[in-house]
Amino acid sequence: GESVGLHLPTLSVQEGDNSIINCAYSNSASDYFIWYKQESGKGPQFIIDIRSNMDKRQGQRVTVLLNKTVKHLSLQIAATQPGDSAVYFCAENRNSGYSTLTFGKGTMLLVSP
Amino acid sequence: DAGVIQSPRHEVTEMGQEVTLRCKPISGHDYLFWYRQTMMRGLELLIYFNNNVPIDDSGMPEDRFSAKMPNASFSTLKIQPSEPRDSAVYFCASSLFNFGTGELFFGEGSRLTVL
Repeated sequence: GESVGLHLPTLSVQEGDNSIINCAYSNSASDYFIWYKQESGKGPQFIIDIRSNMDKRQGQRVTVLLNKTVKHLSLQIAATQPGDSAVYFCAENRNSGYSTLTFGKGTMLLVSP
Repeated sequence: DAGVIQSPRHEVTEMGQEVTLRCKPISGHDYLFWYRQTMMRGLELLIYFNNNVPIDDSGMPEDRFSAKMPNASFSTLKIQPSEPRDSAVYFCASSLFNFGTGELFFGEGSRLTVL
């Protein structure tokens, strides 16, 4: 989910579990969505994207689901590993240029061995 | 390629001092971005350049902030005078394509603390 204050929502899972990170986006006109991963002390790293004409897209161990009806985006990580521990951001855009790319505040994923 | 390179990684300064952050984008990328990240506001776009030309600087907080890109391989973000509320992590990112891929390549950031 999205942060509403100073503290990031946190998801704690065991190694090998599947993780689901959720994001509620704000603009019904958004037509392009991206998930980024940010490890401690590093910059955000692109994971996967999806356009509004799709409701599901799969990558390596990751799947993004889009529900435009309720403006909801989720990132599923299969067989979560300790190296997946990071903050995950969703971002939305209206395909009108970089100026309208808006990042959410992120969810922290903690993976225990 | 070494990726986007930012310097310094950490900067501690006193209120009123000038701060200059530096960025070297990935070679061949013609878009360069400056973002600021804080816990309260998350990632905010400050300014971005295309082919060294500023395209949108509406995110620059105020006149104390300025950014330049004198050539395709170098950009600076300057804060003068700095204030404690400028404390944040500043990221530079670059991209090759017109927007559509969402794949911005971020540097490791410059953590600024203004006392």
